[in-house]
Amino acid sequence: DSGVTQTPKHLITATGQRVTLRCSPRSGDLSVYWYQQSLDQGLQFLIQYYNGEERAKGNILERFSAQQFPDLHSELNLSSLELGDSALYFCASSFQGQQFFGPGTRLTVL
Amino acid sequence: GENVEQHPSTLSVQEGDSAVIKCTYSDSASNYFPWYKQELGKRPQLIIDIRSNVGEKKDQRIAVTLNKTAKHFSLHITETQPEDSAVYFCAAGAGGGADGLTFGKGTHLIIQP
Repeated sequence: DSGVTQTPKHLITATGQRVTLRCSPRSGDLSVYWYQQSLDQGLQFLIQYYNGEERAKGNILERFSAQQFPDLHSELNLSSLELGDSALYFCASSFQGQQFFGPGTRLTVL
Repeated sequence: GENVEQHPSTLSVQEGDSAVIKCTYSDSASNYFPWYKQELGKRPQLIIDIRSNVGEKKDQRIAVTLNKTAKHFSLHITETQPEDSAVYFCAAGAGGGADGLTFGKGTHLIIQP
């Protein structure tokens, strides 16, 4: 157990819908990273927050957005969902430069 | 941006033998190189990492080497055991690990009994 928690574990929704994924970092970690894992694209960095502020953007689509709240938990919002958005979404938090991953949310778009 | 290439995509070795997985990176600004192990349906787990001021690091049966000049780093697993079967990912990042990581495509390691 890495200490990073994510909810929900599974999410099934329809094209065009909007969903919110939630992540709580390990106690004391200020950075949260979001990654997407799919069969064709592999593990891809989406976005990073540090102490409530956006720090870096990776391959994140404009339909996706994220935020980090004062209690340091983070939410990833995915809108206008397409079939190709079906994937595992991981968040990670970091301590001394090492990133520890949560259990992931499996999103299925039908 | 950074590009990480990983080889081979599948590696089958006999139990007790050694396994080597190789990665190359493109961005000379990268200075942090972690390796993750992922079992089916589970989270990626950090198994070892190396920073650019070090050429080699060892942790029991696992070692990682880094050649900054060639932009090449490798994972070595000795005395492989059935529980080593998993997908292994290399990654590269800047900022000493504080930045988002760029991952390789993964190596499916199969340990044959």
